[in-house]
Order: sequence, then structure tokens, then C-alpha cells
Amino acid sequence: DAGVIQSPRHEVTEMGQEVTLRCKPISGHNSLFWYRQTMMRGLELLIYFNNNVPIDDSGMPEDRFSAKMPNASFSTLKIQPSEPRDSAVYFCASSFRLAGGLDEQFFGPGTRLTVL
Amino acid sequence: AQSVTQPDIHITVSEGASLELRCNYSYGATPYLFWYVQSPGQGLQLLLKYFSGDTLVQGIKGFEAEFKRSQSSFNLRKPSVHWSDAAEYFCAVGAMEYGNKLVFGAGTILRVKS
Repeated sequence: DAGVIQSPRHEVTEMGQEVTLRCKPISGHNSLFWYRQTMMRGLELLIYFNNNVPIDDSGMPEDRFSAKMPNASFSTLKIQPSEPRDSAVYFCASSFRLAGGLDEQFFGPGTRLTVL
Repeated sequence: AQSVTQPDIHITVSEGASLELRCNYSYGATPYLFWYVQSPGQGLQLLLKYFSGDTLVQGIKGFEAEFKRSQSSFNLRKPSVHWSDAAEYFCAVGAMEYGNKLVFGAGTILRVKS
């Protein structure tokens, strides 16, 4: 299995530009998570989906951030407009939610975003 | 509210020495417990997990962890550290009552002296 795939691996953009991060979860997984990691705030959960439906987006910082999961194989995290404080590593993770249970999350390699 | 505390931000040990990384959680429910490791520039990799049963859990790379309900702890141990273990380690907790999301600790950076 290829694992969780994220693209791009690195993104450098200018303030005000739109940024789209992409994620392909592990085939067969039914939950998908977007995290942001910074030195100051550590690893933060932004949003997660079960069966392509957003369940908890309480971690999304503001309206500039949006996430979609149009099908079981693809998700995007969009920032519009981007700001320098959005600079971070963004991770996507997926898991298979067991009925009546909870299982480990498999992480992608991350996208390092730099907003100038 | 759920919370996870890793009290040590940095730990330095000599190669070959034993290691213990601390993790304490605050949960009102039966927790699912995880330890992940992150090498520089990489994503997080699962070391081990505890759901139920034997409170001493074995993981990959020679790591183990012990769940102590009375102390709300899930400390990670390794009897002999290798230089390649230098990385950041994260404890994470979940519970069915809170959906299938995990709450992560702030991480502990392990440095290994040769």
C-alpha cells in the first residue's frame, strides 16, 4: 500500500494567494483528518471526515480555511487568502473507524507551507 | 475536557541507556492510548497502542508502554536506546465518546548522546 499521499510536499506562496493542499487516504479507510503543526502550537486537529462527511471542524482557524472530501479517495484543504501566520506543516491522516471502536491514524508525509 | 500532558519537552540520554517518556491524560471515559514517533521532516509513525487487556503493550523498535489507570498515565519505555531513536515522540488519547479523533500531547524531543 502506498500509504497516505499528500501533495505538494512543499509550497511557497505570497500573502493573499489561494493555496490548495491535497490528500489521498489509504484505500478502504473511512475517516480522514487534517492537522496543522507549528512550533508554537504543536499538532492541531483542523477538521475530520467520516465517510466523506465533515464531522468536526471546530479546529478550523477561520473562514479563510475550507476543506472538502468529494469522494473516499480525495480531500482538499484550501486557504484563501493565505497569510504569513498560516505557515506550518499540514498533515493528512486516515483511519478505518471500527464499529463501536477507534483505531490508529496513518499519517502522510505532510505539506510544508510557507507564506511570504 | 480531554487533555494530554507530556511534561518533558526535551530529554537527552546516552546511547545504550534506558529511556522513559512520560504521558498523563485527563479523560472521563475509557481511553484509547497511542504513542507516535516523528523523525525530522517526516510524518508521524505509530509505535504502539492500547485499547484494552494487558496493560503492558509491546510496540515496534523495541518500545513498550504501560497503562496505569490509577495514575492516568501511559509512559513509554525502552531498555536500551540507539542513536537512531533520536526523534520527537507524541502521546495521543482518544475515546469513543468523543468521536474517532485523537488529542495529542505537545511532544517530547529525544536526543541521544554517543
